[in-house]
Amino acid sequence: EVQLLESGGGLVQPGGSLRLSCAASGFSFSSYPMSWVRQAPGKGLEWVSAIRSGGVSTYYADSVKGRFTISRDNSKHTLYLQMNSLRAEDTAVYYCANYYFYSSDYYPFFDYWGQGTLVTVSS
Amino acid sequence: DIVMTQSPDSLAVSLGERATINCKSSQSLLYSSNNKNYLAWYQQRPGQPPKLLIYWASTRESGVPDRFSGSGSGTDFTLTISSLQAEDVAVYYCQQHYSTPLTFGQGTRLEIK
Repeated sequence: EVQLLESGGGLVQPGGSLRLSCAASGFSFSSYPMSWVRQAPGKGLEWVSAIRSGGVSTYYADSVKGRFTISRDNSKHTLYLQMNSLRAEDTAVYYCANYYFYSSDYYPFFDYWGQGTLVTVSS
Repeated sequence: DIVMTQSPDSLAVSLGERATINCKSSQSLLYSSNNKNYLAWYQQRPGQPPKLLIYWASTRESGVPDRFSGSGSGTDFTLTISSLQAEDVAVYYCQQHYSTPLTFGQGTRLEIK
């Protein structure tokens, strides 16, 4: 059974930092590109970042570029999101999700999601 | 960036009736090399992560009831629930994966009338 378990959320002051983790199990983590998607309270879904299986190629939304860094440790089956210079508008539930495997390739839509971890940026 | 616009923002339908949600993209999501539309639909129930319903605009994900169907091509897409059940109360999102940044529609809230 595929499981994605996020952790690391919490309350942080504006300008502060947090590192989110997503522990994966039940699938070949090292083969799958992964992504972070966030949802502000009462709002819609916003894609944040993605990383290819090898960890070299990374992608970011303009809203977080230069402040957030996505990474992965395939030996630990874990995805990370380092968040620096946090702003009030970064307050959201952060979900990790894996790309969809279809016909020998991976596509950036998501069949498995974690339960999310809440990040609150407030003084 | 590709902008995804859903309509309506909210919808109330009687049990057993049809529900239709529309999604329009600011540019075509049809990838010419494989003739696939890079459009997915999700259902999000309160307090839950999103659940994938439909991909390639019209392919139902495994385990999704056949009352859910997707249609459309290019820039205009539709999610249809043929006979609304109580458990279908949720917010529905479309998502394009034609290009990064990946973008979602703003969501459509579906309720029982």
